[in-house]
Amino acid sequence: GAGVSQSPSNKVTEKGKDVELRCDPISGHTALYWYRQSLGQGLEFLIYFQGNSAPDKSGLPSDRFSAERTGGSVSTLTIQRTQQEDSAVYLCASSSQGWENTEAFFGQGTRLTVV
Amino acid sequence: KNQVEQSPQSLIILEGKNCTLQCNYTVSPFSNLRWYKQDTGRGPVSLTIMTFSENTKSNGRYTATLDADTKQSSLHITASQLSDSASYICVVTGYGNNRLAFGKGNQVVVIP
Repeated sequence: GAGVSQSPSNKVTEKGKDVELRCDPISGHTALYWYRQSLGQGLEFLIYFQGNSAPDKSGLPSDRFSAERTGGSVSTLTIQRTQQEDSAVYLCASSSQGWENTEAFFGQGTRLTVV
Repeated sequence: KNQVEQSPQSLIILEGKNCTLQCNYTVSPFSNLRWYKQDTGRGPVSLTIMTFSENTKSNGRYTATLDADTKQSSLHITASQLSDSASYICVVTGYGNNRLAFGKGNQVVVIP
């Protein structure tokens, strides 16, 4: 596709349920980032992928959060046993292995609401 | 510790006034710095990019400055408009690894 695609765009789930959020980066982009943005707050780093490996998982808030990336492309962020404090917009960004003009392209985000 | 710090976290300004947003970073070595604008409910969109040798870059009413020696950047908004209400995010690229470091953003609200 032309841009970073995230799905679903909105997700409402009951507390305690598991959810999967998907990110389709721009074709050929090797770097992929997951962030979340709570209401009125700034970006909170979750995890960074380079290819299929995740050299930095330091932002994952708990062991209920996990992410994987396959084929150097699609990434899935999984939240197990969701809690109300997980409610946020989850943003995905990708960038190419370029140099001087490296730019991160963001998806529209997935708005997760845990009720 | 976050490698990119932005201030103020949020500010409210009157329509027509100017404002300046700050970004301090510790990423080293440094490749480039971008400012993004994120409208509510949308993904961030790039405004400006500056490399090590550039001191200033303009995009309409937005002017970004960079001091690579002190590792500081600013984004100046001139004659603010209601449509400038958004979050402004500073993103720094490390040289050699292309790792991106994101600030948490400056939340700007322009009121009539």
